Amino acid sequence: DTGVSQDPRHKITKRGQNVTFRCDPISEHNRLYWYRQTLGQGPEFLTYFQNEAQLEKSRLLSDRFSAERPKGSFSTLEIQRTEQGDSAMYLCASSRRDREEAFFGQGTRLTVV
Amino acid sequence: LAKTTQPISMDSYEGQEVNITCSHNNIATNDYITWYQQFPSQGPRFIIQGYKTKVTNEVASLFIPADRKSSTLSLPRVSLSDTAVYYCLVGDRVSSGSARQLTFGSGTQLTVLP
Repeated sequence: DTGVSQDPRHKITKRGQNVTFRCDPISEHNRLYWYRQTLGQGPEFLTYFQNEAQLEKSRLLSDRFSAERPKGSFSTLEIQRTEQGDSAMYLCASSRRDREEAFFGQGTRLTVV
Repeated sequence: LAKTTQPISMDSYEGQEVNITCSHNNIATNDYITWYQQFPSQGPRFIIQGYKTKVTNEVASLFIPADRKSSTLSLPRVSLSDTAVYYCLVGDRVSSGSARQLTFGSGTQLTVLP
């Protein structure tokens, strides 16, 4: 297992379009997290899953954002009607238990033009 | 989570020891101190976590004084590949060590020069 995998690595989209990102966590990690990072800033928490259940959502996650983890394995993050302010790096992380360190993927860089 | 303050940037030369200090005046009794490292175009990577005194692993050392209002990440003999952003986080071990609601500041950009 090579770690947390995210796809695509880069995405350029026009304003108003929908985009979907995928995250494959480390196998046997039942916890999965999404973060967003803008240039020059640290990552900001978006949402968190334990298995297939979405347990926590940040206020940053507007109605245009939706995340799923249908079978408790991979997860998708969808952004509808993208805006230029959505341009950022979207990071996924996974952990095995709540008290262990989380491992981050390399992220998906979204550019909305 | 307690607010942290760390320098925006630091420069060092290869082979030197680098110390990055983080202030966390409002640290709570249950709070741990965790440091992450982030390279460009990559996700953060857990480096070290501690509660008090000194913690050392294969990558770094973490020094925490008795009042715990600050901490110092020490990187021995840095190389060019240690150029990265280093984040100091303070919070309950559940949250700061496991990514749940991790609160990152802007971090310290460390640049190692040849």
